This record gives sequence, C-alpha cells and structure tokens, in this order.
Amino acid sequence: DSGVTQTPKHLITATGQRVTLRCSPRSGDLSVYWYQQSLDQGLQFLIQYYNGEERAKGNILERFSAQQFPDLHSELNLSSLELGDSALYFCASSVGGLNTGELFFGEGSRLTVL
Amino acid sequence: AQSVTQPDIHITVSEGASLELRCNYSYGATPYLFWYVQSPGQGLQLLLKYFSGDTLVQGIKGFEAEFKRSQSSFNLRKPSVHWSDAAEYFCAVGNAGNMLTFGGGTRLMVKP
Repeated sequence: DSGVTQTPKHLITATGQRVTLRCSPRSGDLSVYWYQQSLDQGLQFLIQYYNGEERAKGNILERFSAQQFPDLHSELNLSSLELGDSALYFCASSVGGLNTGELFFGEGSRLTVL
Repeated sequence: AQSVTQPDIHITVSEGASLELRCNYSYGATPYLFWYVQSPGQGLQLLLKYFSGDTLVQGIKGFEAEFKRSQSSFNLRKPSVHWSDAAEYFCAVGNAGNMLTFGGGTRLMVKP
C-alpha cells in the first residue's frame, strides 16, 4: 500500500460525458502528479501540483483540467470524453519535486469510454 | 526534449537466471533516472533511483542499475530472478521541472 488513494477504481461512461477522478496523497506529501497510461501512448505525464499551485504541465489536453485543494487532495476533470480517453489514470505524490525523492503511485482509476 | 527507450518489449528468463533490462535516455543535462515496477492491477513501485554520485545504485528486491553517461544508459540488473519478479518494468528520466518521462516498458516473464 503506497498510501495514495484514488477513486473510483473503475469508471465506465459514454462519449461526450464528463468525469472527475479523485486522488488523496500520502500524509505529508505536498506534490501531486497525474499520469495517463494507455496501450498506444504508454505512460504520459499530465500535470503536477505543489501545495495547491500548478508546477509542471505535460501532455494534458485542453478538455482536461486538474486542481489541488487546500487539504491537498487533487481532482482530475475530463470532459467531452472521446473513445481515445479510455486509459488508466494514475495519481502519484511526493514530499516535494522529483529531486526530493520518489513518487508514490496510487493503484489508478480505469476509465472506459463507450 | 527528454525521452526514454526500452528496446525490449518482452523478455523471458528462467527462474534463477540473471537479468538485464536495457534503458537508454536522451536528456541534455544530468538526468534523474528511475526504475519502476508495475505488477498486474497495481500502481508503480520505485525500485531504485539515480541522482548523482556513485554510478552503480542498489535498489529493493535485489535489483541494481548502472548509470553510464557515455552510453546514455541506465540498465537494470538482477543476479538471480525469482518467479515473483514477473511484472512490467519502466525506466524513467526526470528533470528539475518535475516532469517524469517513462519508457514504453519491458514485460518480464519468468519460466519455472
């Protein structure tokens, strides 16, 4: 158990819909990272927040957005869903940035868009 | 832009045999390098990391990796593989901007 909690574990929805994925980081971790894992794209970095502020941005689509709340949990919002958005979405947390140590990954939220 | 290549998509080894998983990276400065393992239905777990210093790093579960700057490589090794090592292994490179770039992964199968 990494200490990172992601909900829901599985989600099935239709094209055009909107979903929210939730992540609770390990106690004391200030950084939250979101990754997308799909068969064709592999593991792609989406975005990082540190103590409520956006710190780094990767290949995140404009239809996707994220935020980190004062209690440090984070949400990833995916809208106007397309079939290609079907993937496993991971959240990871760390004390600070990459140079402060390892990222602890949650077990992921598997999104299926039909 | 940083990138990571894991040339071997699948590798099968016999239990007790040695293992080497290859990783090549592209990055302009001194990279942060990582190896993660993912078991089916699980998240990623860090095996080891390299930031600076000794180029041979020891990790958990008996794994080690060697950073070779001249070859832009960070290969993962284990002297004797156990059946429980069957999983997918990811090499990753990070930068000070906190973006971690993963390779495509190598799926390891262990024969009894």
